Amino acid sequence: EPEVTQTPSHQVTQMGQEVILRCVPISNHLYFYWYRQILGQKVEFLVSFYNNEISEKSEIFDDQFSVERPDGSNFTLKIRSTKLEDSAMYFCASSPQTNQPQHFGDGTRLSIL
Amino acid sequence: TQLLEQSPQFLSIQEGENLTVYCNSSSVFSSLQWYRQEPGEGPVLLVTVVTGGEVKKLKRLTFQFGDARKDSSLHITAAQTGDTGLYLCAGVFSGSARQLTFGSGTQLTVLP
Repeated sequence: EPEVTQTPSHQVTQMGQEVILRCVPISNHLYFYWYRQILGQKVEFLVSFYNNEISEKSEIFDDQFSVERPDGSNFTLKIRSTKLEDSAMYFCASSPQTNQPQHFGDGTRLSIL
Repeated sequence: TQLLEQSPQFLSIQEGENLTVYCNSSSVFSSLQWYRQEPGEGPVLLVTVVTGGEVKKLKRLTFQFGDARKDSSLHITAAQTGDTGLYLCAGVFSGSARQLTFGSGTQLTVLP
């Protein structure tokens, strides 16, 4: 069964450094999403992406965050200057259409030192 | 801010017992998903409900969507140890095209 894949599974970065989290969505899906889950808290929506542009974003997704689909398969989340509070699990998801269920990857655990 | 409340947060039962998990909001959902999440993995989709009053069954799991589309429940019949895990409800609120709002999850432990 097709699945969303995320790399790396764990990323350790010094505070202030840039980090790029990578995702390969399911191949025939058109909508892409990033969520995060801080330890012990709920999964929170960050951003949705369709047709090479952001379609929705949350208050969390400030100027330090950006997303890109650099080629036909990858979908990336960049954090420009990481802070301690960016430490979390980051999940990528994709869906075929906007009103269809989202399928999640296994996440990248981001640890900021 | 639209909130989605999930209860109970923790549930520990004996194998063979039945259980129900609840998901509630004061706002209307356009759709609601139930996921199961294992440690170190992402949420895995169990079911999507869209129509008010809808009931879906997945083996021993029964999912209901409230008539007003503001609440949902997951009922497990004759629980097995393999049902142990974190169950998450997540909804798309009407007027919000795509973002999922998650509940806090129910950690289910089924004891042998």
